[in-house]
Amino acid sequence: QITLKESGPTLVKPTQTLTLTCTFSGFSLTTGGVGVGWIRQPPGKGLEWLAVIYWNDDKPYSPSLKNRLTITKDTSKNQVVLTMTNMDPVDTATYYCAHTIAARTFDSWGQGTLVTVSS
Amino acid sequence: DIQMTQSPSTLSASVGDRVTITCRASQSISTWLAWFQQKPGKAPSLLIYKASILETGVPSRFSGSGSGTEFTLTISSLQPDDFATYYCQRYNSYSFTFGPGTKVDIK
Repeated sequence: QITLKESGPTLVKPTQTLTLTCTFSGFSLTTGGVGVGWIRQPPGKGLEWLAVIYWNDDKPYSPSLKNRLTITKDTSKNQVVLTMTNMDPVDTATYYCAHTIAARTFDSWGQGTLVTVSS
Repeated sequence: DIQMTQSPSTLSASVGDRVTITCRASQSISTWLAWFQQKPGKAPSLLIYKASILETGVPSRFSGSGSGTEFTLTISSLQPDDFATYYCQRYNSYSFTFGPGTKVDIK
C-alpha cells in the first residue's frame, strides 16, 4: 500500500523560503520509472503542477516556477523535499505530493498541507 | 506550452443522469490524458489514465475516450458519491498540465 504525507510550516512570511517534505512508504524511489511530484491548489482554485523527481534523479519543473523551485530526494529516508524561494501571498495553497510511475501520472496522493503566506 | 480547457465549468445533474465532461488540448497530446475526481477538503483521486484506462478500483460507470485534442469523461449513471469536481490533466514524463476543472453539483 502506497502512502505519502506532506510536512512543513503552515505559515511563512513573504520573501521567505518554503521547505516541504514528503515522506512516503510502499514504494522505492530507486525503482525504475518511479517518481514523486508536487502539486498545489490555492483555496477555492484549481490544481497546479510544480515539480517531479524520478528514480534516476531527473527533475522536471513547471516552466513558470522553475526559477524558484528545487526538488531533492533522500532514498535512505524515503523522503522528497521541495523548496520554494521568495514566497508571496499568492503562493498560499494546499501543497500535495504524489506518486507517479511510467504512464500512470499521479496515482497516489498525500493528504496535502495548507501553507499560508502572510506577514 | 500546451493549454487545457474543460467544458462546462459547472454542471448541474440528478442522480441517474448520464454526464459528459469535455477536455480539449491546444495541440495534440495523443492519449496522454488523465481524469481526476476531487471532493471538498480531499486530495484528488485518479480515475482514468491514458485517456481511457480505468484506474483499479474505480467504478465502471466512469469511462474516458478521445485522442489528439479532444477528450471526454462520461459517467453513465450519476451516483450520490459522484458529486465532485473533475479535472483533466495532460501529462508526459516532463510536463503535467491540469485543466481548470468541472464542478458537478446537484440539480
